[in-house]
Amino acid sequence: EAGVTQFPSHSVIEKGQTVTLRCDPISGHDNLYWYRRVMGKEIKFLLHFVKESKQDESGMPNNRFLAERTGGTYSTLKVQPAELEDSGVYFCASSHSEVEQYFGPGTRLTVT
Amino acid sequence: AQKVTQAQTEISVVEKEDVTLDCVYETRDTTYYLFWYKQPPSGELVFLIRRNSFDEQNEISGRYSWNFQKSTSSFNFTITASQVVDSAVYFCALSVMDSNYQLIWGAGTKLIIKP
Repeated sequence: EAGVTQFPSHSVIEKGQTVTLRCDPISGHDNLYWYRRVMGKEIKFLLHFVKESKQDESGMPNNRFLAERTGGTYSTLKVQPAELEDSGVYFCASSHSEVEQYFGPGTRLTVT
Repeated sequence: AQKVTQAQTEISVVEKEDVTLDCVYETRDTTYYLFWYKQPPSGELVFLIRRNSFDEQNEISGRYSWNFQKSTSSFNFTITASQVVDSAVYFCALSVMDSNYQLIWGAGTKLIIKP
């Protein structure tokens, strides 16, 4: 069974540009979470999908971030326009039972 | 509100020494889950262990062991006979049902094992 995959693994963009991160969860997992770790700080929750619905987006930092989950399958996280402070590693996790979350390898975003 | 504290920002030991990483958590929920993850230099998060609040038994897995004590709200992680490959950032995390099991993370402890 394939694990959680994320694309791209690394993205370098300039301030003001747009970037879209993608996460493909484990097949059959209804729950999908996004987290991020800004350099040197703790990992923070961004949002949680149950199928295609946003269950909790309390961690989204501002309206420059837009997350979608098409048909309850893969999810995208768009940052528009990107700012320097958005640099960090973005992790996606999926779960069937909510308790056990399986993480993807992360996308390292560098905004210059 | 829930909180996880990893007071040790960085620990450096010489190979073969034992090392303990501390984790203190806060929650009012009676049902919760505690986790440890490892983040090696390659960047991915590697799941190490999950405990639920009703299971206070200590666990040993090879050179790794975990000490869960509800009385002190701690879930400490010990590596015995450390190896250079153990060098990584280690995160402790907490999840509760009322927060849809989102993981609340500690700040992480960077462990450096010197040869």
